[in-house]
Amino acid sequence: AQSVAQPEDQVNVAEGNPLTVKCTYSVSGNPYLFWYVQYPNRGLQFLLKYITGDNLVKGSYGFEAEFNKSQTSFHLKKPSALVSDSALYFCAVRDEAGTASKLTFGTGTRLQVTL
Amino acid sequence: EAGVTQSPTHLIKTRGQQATLRCSPISGHTSVYWYQQALGLGLQFLLWYDEGEERNRGNFPPRFSGRQFPNYSSELNVNALELEDSALYLCASSLFSGSGNTIYFGEGSWLTVV
Repeated sequence: AQSVAQPEDQVNVAEGNPLTVKCTYSVSGNPYLFWYVQYPNRGLQFLLKYITGDNLVKGSYGFEAEFNKSQTSFHLKKPSALVSDSALYFCAVRDEAGTASKLTFGTGTRLQVTL
Repeated sequence: EAGVTQSPTHLIKTRGQQATLRCSPISGHTSVYWYQQALGLGLQFLLWYDEGEERNRGNFPPRFSGRQFPNYSSELNVNALELEDSALYLCASSLFSGSGNTIYFGEGSWLTVV
């Protein structure tokens, strides 16, 4: 079975500072990893994904994520946070075999960026 | 290009009634997924349709059902509504069911059961 853990319910960061939202995963084969963002009362927006290749993946709105196979992690990062980045962030995993083809999501991390 | 569209945006039903939610995938996408986002329970996988067939379902009772039409749109039906069915129901689509394909979500349908 595949699973995702987001160990922090909330991350607080000051605007202009770097941010990291943590994610670890468990799958039986090679992972396909995704990050989504959800603004209040909205659906999920795709940010970025890792399929294969370079461990550092760049995505929308200046976000990037680093895949670390040995630590089974896929942390989301941004060099300089904006107040508008405040939202709920979800990490998700799918195994390479596409078993059941579904994405399994973490519980979400609320990012709060303050002035 | 239009994204995933869902209707209605909000729906209020009484316990015991039936609710029908509708979803139109991104043009060219053949796979449709339904997720439930209930307060405090995160995102729970409900159903996956591909090429008109139900391919997988999550751990939900049979009163949650749906279908996919020949134009790849989909509807989710929830029968015998219970208070705990109140949630945001998210529909998503992907190009086809390959693991690396990105799944794109709609804005969701809010179902309130009173």
